[in-house]
Amino acid sequence: NAGVTQTPKFQVLKTGQSMTLQCAQDMNHEYMSWYRQDPGMGLRLIHYSVGAGITDQGEVPNGYNVSRSTTEDFPLRLLSAAPSQTSVYFCASSYNREGYTFGSGTRLTVV
Amino acid sequence: GESVGLHLPTLSVQEGDNSIINCAYSNSASDYFIWYKQESGKGPQFIIDIRSNMDKRQGQRVTVLLNKTVKHLSLQIAATQPGDSAVYFCAENPSGKLIFGQGTELSVKP
Repeated sequence: NAGVTQTPKFQVLKTGQSMTLQCAQDMNHEYMSWYRQDPGMGLRLIHYSVGAGITDQGEVPNGYNVSRSTTEDFPLRLLSAAPSQTSVYFCASSYNREGYTFGSGTRLTVV
Repeated sequence: GESVGLHLPTLSVQEGDNSIINCAYSNSASDYFIWYKQESGKGPQFIIDIRSNMDKRQGQRVTVLLNKTVKHLSLQIAATQPGDSAVYFCAENPSGKLIFGQGTELSVKP
């Protein structure tokens, strides 16, 4: 079991560029979520999914898109990166909406 | 709206002492709460959880207390060790969404 795998670990983007943050889990978890964490702050929910084909918005969804075509994968897309999206991004998954397991994060800098 | 907040942003304790980290929540409908530990440069790590039909739950050196009347959670760490130094977050889980509080940084002095 690899758990929750996030790639890349680090990324620098120019303003206006697009990219996809990858998240994969091999635990057959139905629930998956994306969070961002800014310095000295807690984690804020961007988007979440309760199963393949089902996604919903969290606290801060603007500027981000998600899809859930398989149980294993939950990619996060930035269509046009902005400096305000500089943050650490965490993906998490759970079998039954409890006890989420987190990945190690992607550190994104937008210049 | 839904929000979870912490009373103290920083806590410094002596090694061997007990630590208490507090958390207030505002969503009366929340029925499940979790404490996470986050070390520098890492993702949050599950510590302990509690359901709303319980007042107290114990783990290894940790205890979570839930007071639904005043919507308050606390995490107690017994015999705090240097390895306990980290940021601790409480989170509530309404409808499958995990909502985090701001966090408390615990610093353990040797």
